[in-house]
Amino acid sequence: RKEVEQDPGPFNVPEGATVAFNCTYSNSASQSFFWYRQDCRKEPKLLMSVYSSGNEDGRFTAQLNRASQYISLLIRDSKLSDSATYLCVVNRIFGNEKLTFGTGTRLTIIP
Amino acid sequence: DVKVTQSSRYLVKRTGEKVFLECVQDMDHENMFWYRQDPGLGLRLIYFSYDVKMKEKGDIPEGYSVSREKKERFSLILESASTNQTSMYLCASSLLTGYNEQFFGPGTRLTVL
Repeated sequence: RKEVEQDPGPFNVPEGATVAFNCTYSNSASQSFFWYRQDCRKEPKLLMSVYSSGNEDGRFTAQLNRASQYISLLIRDSKLSDSATYLCVVNRIFGNEKLTFGTGTRLTIIP
Repeated sequence: DVKVTQSSRYLVKRTGEKVFLECVQDMDHENMFWYRQDPGLGLRLIYFSYDVKMKEKGDIPEGYSVSREKKERFSLILESASTNQTSMYLCASSLLTGYNEQFFGPGTRLTVL
């Protein structure tokens, strides 16, 4: 089983719609969770961290479910500029800087 | 803004050649990382370094070595390049403790013929 698993998509979503991705992780000892965004032919960039109580940043909401070992990302009122690959990322060991990246979910927003 | 730069965007080498990929960061970060990214496999950690002259193996270190002589510079070395090392190589840096955001360079697309 992969350490971090994501549905690769593609998700093709009309502009203005709401879209959600899930990601599961296998190591119950994982402590830190993130969503990174990667545009086509660009490097990954941090989109947001995921906190235990859930957190929101504008149109983006991240949730963590430790019992079921998954994290989610919700994008409301999607924009054309949201088209990208979204990478689920997990820090394997607390205090250790090594991150495990999922293979990403590709999202295309359609005008 | 943090800036991570890599020496080349595109590189073409022949099987058996020694290849050097250079990475420089300008934010005084302690940690530096080398990943490769392949379709369907995502980013995989090759090596990382948490201090000058310190290095640790990642998930796929075979066929690679690294060098960190200065804090801002982290080099990835392919001693004898092989065709299965054709990939996108990404360098990243981060602060040592607490805040785990990694800042990535633009990547080097390496093709080994």
